[in-house]
Amino acid sequence: EVKLLESGGGLVQPGRSLRLSCETSGFIFSNHAMSWVRQAPGKGLEWVSFIGGGGSTNYADSVTGRFTISRDNSKDTLYLQMNNLKVEDTALYYCAKLFSSRPSEFDYWGQGILVTVSS
Amino acid sequence: QSALTQPASVSGSPGQSITISCTGTSSDVGSYNLVSWYQHHPDKAPRLIIYEVNKRPSGVSHRFSGSKSGNTAFLTISGLQTEDEADYFCCSYVNSRILMIFGGGTTLTVL
Repeated sequence: EVKLLESGGGLVQPGRSLRLSCETSGFIFSNHAMSWVRQAPGKGLEWVSFIGGGGSTNYADSVTGRFTISRDNSKDTLYLQMNNLKVEDTALYYCAKLFSSRPSEFDYWGQGILVTVSS
Repeated sequence: QSALTQPASVSGSPGQSITISCTGTSSDVGSYNLVSWYQHHPDKAPRLIIYEVNKRPSGVSHRFSGSKSGNTAFLTISGLQTEDEADYFCCSYVNSRILMIFGGGTTLTVL
């Protein structure tokens, strides 16, 4: 059974940093691309970042230069380092597994972890 | 890149069919057959129900179907059931830099 479990969220002041983790199990993590997707309160989903199985990365314009996605294949874990956080980064952050080698759909998602940026 | 446009809400009675639209542009929905749909119940993880416009993952009911015309994709749910009541999001591949964008989501109410 595929499982994705996010952690590391919480309340943080604007300008500070936070690192999210996503522990995975039930599939060969190193073989699969992964992403972070977020949902701000009352809003729709927003793709945030992507990392390929080989480590290539992509970012949404809204987080480029502030967020860094990474993975530790020895720990089957995905990370999102979030620096210089802004109020508009407040959202439920989901870790998601790509369905195939194409960066176009997700077949498994975590339950999400809440990040609140507020002074 | 603006989010894909979905109606905020739709409703239907048990047994009926409903269709949710997802409108993008010629740069996303219109350019690729890489539209996916997700069902999202509150406090649960989103679930992939349609990929590549009209394909169903294993385990997804045949009551869910997808289609596309020009820059608009559609999700049709036939034989509505009370458990179909949820939020539905569409998603499209965009390009090798931005990768993908989502719709704003549609809340389905089964009356």
